Amino acid sequence: NAGVMQNPRHLVRRRGQEARLRCSPMKGHSHVYWYRQLPEEGLKFMVYLQKENIIDESGMPKERFSAEFPKEGPSILRIQQVVRGDSAAYFCASSPPNSGSSIEQYFGPGTRLTVT
Amino acid sequence: SQKIEQNSEALNIQEGKTATLTCNYTNYSPAYLQWYRQDPGRGPVFLLLIRENEKEKRKERLKVTFDTTLKQSLFHITASQPADSATYLCALDEDSGNTPLVFGKGTRLSVIA
Repeated sequence: NAGVMQNPRHLVRRRGQEARLRCSPMKGHSHVYWYRQLPEEGLKFMVYLQKENIIDESGMPKERFSAEFPKEGPSILRIQQVVRGDSAAYFCASSPPNSGSSIEQYFGPGTRLTVT
Repeated sequence: SQKIEQNSEALNIQEGKTATLTCNYTNYSPAYLQWYRQDPGRGPVFLLLIRENEKEKRKERLKVTFDTTLKQSLFHITASQPADSATYLCALDEDSGNTPLVFGKGTRLSVIA
């Protein structure tokens, strides 16, 4: 019963390159969330997706960032033309379909993005 | 403006004592409040959830209280051990599930043997 999987665990990109972060939710989970954690900062919500739908992207920067959760395959967070300020740990979390009560979220190990 | 604050950035306590961590919030009406543990280089791990109509929740050596009047949650670890050393995050859930969590910055707890 694998947990939430993220890859790569570490990613180094030069300024201007693209970064692609992948997240496979826990089996049976249909909700995926992406969070960003900067050094000495709390986790900040970026985007909430269900299969083939973006439910809430209010935390996502308007430019350069996009996310998808296709019918098949992992969820992808894409950062185009990375800048040094994008260096952070990016965490994916998943939760099962709504059962009518609040469900805890299960987090992956994170992808540490370093922009040089 | 909306805020969620964990009052101590770091807390050092002696092994065997009770650690008490505080989470305060402003201009939120959370249906639930959750506590997570995060170790260096790892993702947060869920510990406890408490609903707005619950005063207290326990799990083994952990206890959480939730006071919606004071807009505060307290997280206690009794008989603390060095293995409890980690960063503890509180998170608000404003809706009845499957919504993004709003996290505090965390309190880094060090239990000294």
